[in-house]
Amino acid sequence: DTGVSQNPRHKITKRGQNVTFRCDPISEHNRLYWYRQTLGQGPEFLTYFQNEAQLEKSRLLSDRFSAERPKGSFSTLEIQRTEQGDSAMYLCASSSRGRGSAEAFFGQGTRLTVV
Amino acid sequence: AQSVTQPDIHITVSEGASLELRCNYSYGATPYLFWYVQSPGQGLQLLLKYFSGDTLVQGIKGFEAEFKRSQSSFNLRKPSVHWSDAAEYFCAVGGLRRAGNMLTFGGGTRLMVKP
Repeated sequence: DTGVSQNPRHKITKRGQNVTFRCDPISEHNRLYWYRQTLGQGPEFLTYFQNEAQLEKSRLLSDRFSAERPKGSFSTLEIQRTEQGDSAMYLCASSSRGRGSAEAFFGQGTRLTVV
Repeated sequence: AQSVTQPDIHITVSEGASLELRCNYSYGATPYLFWYVQSPGQGLQLLLKYFSGDTLVQGIKGFEAEFKRSQSSFNLRKPSVHWSDAAEYFCAVGGLRRAGNMLTFGGGTRLMVKP
């Protein structure tokens, strides 16, 4: 499978715990995006990497959230001290260089439930 | 700021009937426009995209969309709906800028298909 891969697919955690999600983009894609989707809503942009550089962060990305993309390959999104409001689907997308960068391919997402 | 409005939250059509899903956008420059489909618990699959040129674009699964600059619209159409088209549909707008191609999504339209 050469698509965007996200792990885990589902995560249930207790409030206050830390969680980390992983995204493996399509191998030749240098751009990587994280989005959050709450129930009944469209995805909302969280952050963007070009290679290993994090170039933009949404104000939705509070101090409890941190994302990394070491070596410009896979990316991780960590949420510290989770709150019930963090419950959502976290989607990763990747795109290639040049004009192809306009077309993002999405993974199947990680559904987080904070209890 | 860019924004996308999908006026219809739910639409129900009979199998074999035609379909039109509405999308209006606000964007300060020439937009890149997309329609994505999402099945329950899954990620987003790209149906079609508009970058420039012919304003009528063809996509996968028999879908097409028409870009109308004067109306700031990018409506999705299908001449004959199949039961397997039941899903959530998202319109999105983006453009090449510092944040790569950060997408702004509409709230989605849930399509139900009656047998």
